[in-house]
Amino acid sequence: AQSVTQLDSQVPVFEEAPVELRCNYSSSVSVYLFWYVQYPNQGLQLLLKYLSGSTLVESINGFEAEFNKSQTSFHLRKPSVHISDTAEYFCAVMYSGGGADGLTFGKGTHLIIQP
Amino acid sequence: EAGVAQSPRYKIIEKRQSVAFWCNPISGHATLYWYQQILGQGPKLLIQFQNNGVVDDSQLPKDRFSAERLKGVDSTLKIQPAKLEDSAVYLCASSLERVDTQYFGPGTRLTVL
Repeated sequence: AQSVTQLDSQVPVFEEAPVELRCNYSSSVSVYLFWYVQYPNQGLQLLLKYLSGSTLVESINGFEAEFNKSQTSFHLRKPSVHISDTAEYFCAVMYSGGGADGLTFGKGTHLIIQP
Repeated sequence: EAGVAQSPRYKIIEKRQSVAFWCNPISGHATLYWYQQILGQGPKLLIQFQNNGVVDDSQLPKDRFSAERLKGVDSTLKIQPAKLEDSAVYLCASSLERVDTQYFGPGTRLTVL
């Protein structure tokens, strides 16, 4: 069965420090990759996605992720975090070619920004 | 542009009762998904519709769960009878095309006592 692993359930970092949230997925021929964010008391929002083209994708609020096919990873990074980045981050994978397009999610990583 | 709407936002029921959730996707979105998110876990796909046809329901517990999408727009998800382990947030999402960004609604938090 296809799976997505987010190794860290919780990541505490100080404000203005860099952060990396890790995501690995089970190998497949063709995948589409997503990071979703859930702020406190809000619904899931798309942060960024990789469908094709450049393996480095960026969001409007300074996050970036790189698709690494050989390592089956899609880690999320930000060079300098802010208090407002406190949220739950979910990595999700769509495995193409199987006839269905539902997302397989990781368990989430809670990013805690400390002042 | 209005987002995905879901109702009710919260529901508390006794085990063995039935419950229904409603979803209205973003206008024009042909693909609709229902996910179940248990506390501390990521969402899990239950069923995917393309217009009013089912694309994938392999993870839907069909002995108690059912879903329909009449006229290819609104959708309802029903649980009958509910079990304690059905306590979760039920999320509806829609996308314009099949391989595309999925937009999520606020969810319905179900508590089964």
